[in-house]
Order: sequence, then structure tokens, then C-alpha cells
Amino acid sequence: DSGVTQTPKHLITATGQRVTLRCSPRSGDLSVYWYQQSLDQGLQFLIQYYNGEERAKGNILERFSAQQFPDLHSELNLSSLELGDSALYFCASSKGAGASGLGSFFGPGTRLTVL
Amino acid sequence: GNSVTQMEGPVTLSEEAFLTINCTYTATGYPSLFWYVQYPGEGLQLLLKATKADDKGSNKGFEATYRKETTSFHLEKGSVQVSDSAVYFCALDNYGQNFVFGPGTRLSVLP
Repeated sequence: DSGVTQTPKHLITATGQRVTLRCSPRSGDLSVYWYQQSLDQGLQFLIQYYNGEERAKGNILERFSAQQFPDLHSELNLSSLELGDSALYFCASSKGAGASGLGSFFGPGTRLTVL
Repeated sequence: GNSVTQMEGPVTLSEEAFLTINCTYTATGYPSLFWYVQYPGEGLQLLLKATKADDKGSNKGFEATYRKETTSFHLEKGSVQVSDSAVYFCALDNYGQNFVFGPGTRLSVLP
């Protein structure tokens, strides 16, 4: 158990819909990272937040957004969903903000299926 | 741009065999390099890392050396176990601004 929690574990929705994925980092970690893992794109970094502020941005679509709240949990919002958004979404956390290991501790992931 | 290339899998070995999974990278500057492991049905776990040239990362019998001259970070283990069966990802982090993963290499270890 990495100490990073993600909810829900599974999510099934339809095209055009909007969903919110939630992540709680390990106690004491200030950075939260979001990743997408799909069969065709592999593992891609989406975005990082550090202590409530956006720190780094990867291949995140404009239809996607994220935020980190004062209690340090983070939410990833995916809107106007398309079939290609079906993937496993991972959250990771780490203490530092910079090159601290891409988020050393990963959550179990949320599997999103768009029908 | 930054990129990571890994040897294609799957790699199938017998228990106690020697493991090498090749990883090479392209990046500007001096990125940090990582190996992550993903066991079936689980999230990724950081296996080891190296932050500068000639550094050797090691953990659980695995090791990898940051070779700037060959832009490589090959993963090795002297004697694999069935429990090492997983997908291994090589990754780089360029000053915390650009995180790139390789495609992953699936390892199967047979008893």
C-alpha cells in the first residue's frame, strides 16, 4: 500500500459526459501528479500540482483540468469524453516539487471506460 | 525533444537467470533517470533512480547505472525470481518540467 488513495476504482460513462477523479496523496506529500495509461499511448504524464499550485504540465488535453485543494487532495476533471479517453488514470505523490521522482508513490488507479 | 526507448518485450526468463532490460534516452541537459515497476493489477512503484552521470541506483537486487556517454540506463538483476514478473518502465525527468516514460517491457519469469 503506497498510501496514495484514488476514487473511484472503476468508472463507466458515455461519450460527451463529464467525470471527476479524486486523489488523496500520502500524508506529508505536497506534490500530486496525474498520469494516463492507455494501450495506444502508453504512460503519459498529464499534470503536476505542488501545494495547490500548478507546477508542470504534460500532454493534458484542453478538455481535461485539475486542481489541488487546501487539504492537498486533487481532482482531475475530464469533460466531453470520447472513446479514446478510456484508460487507467494514476495519481502519484511526493514530498518535493522538482525532480523528486515523478511522484515516488502511485495510487492504484481509476479505470475509466467510455462507451 | 525528450524521449525514452526501451527494448521490446516480452522478455521471458527462467528463474535465477540474469536480466538486462535496455533503456536509452534523448534529452537536453542532464535529466534524472528512473525505473518503475508495475505488477499485475497494480499501480507503478518506483524501483530505483539516478540523478547524475555515473550514479548507480539499486533496490531489491536490481541496479542501473546512469551512462551519459551512451545516454543509457540499463536495468540489471543477477538472479530473477518468479515474483519479478511485471512490466518495467524506464523514465526521465528533465528538471521537473518534462516527464517522459518509455513504452514498458513485460518480463515473465518461469519457475
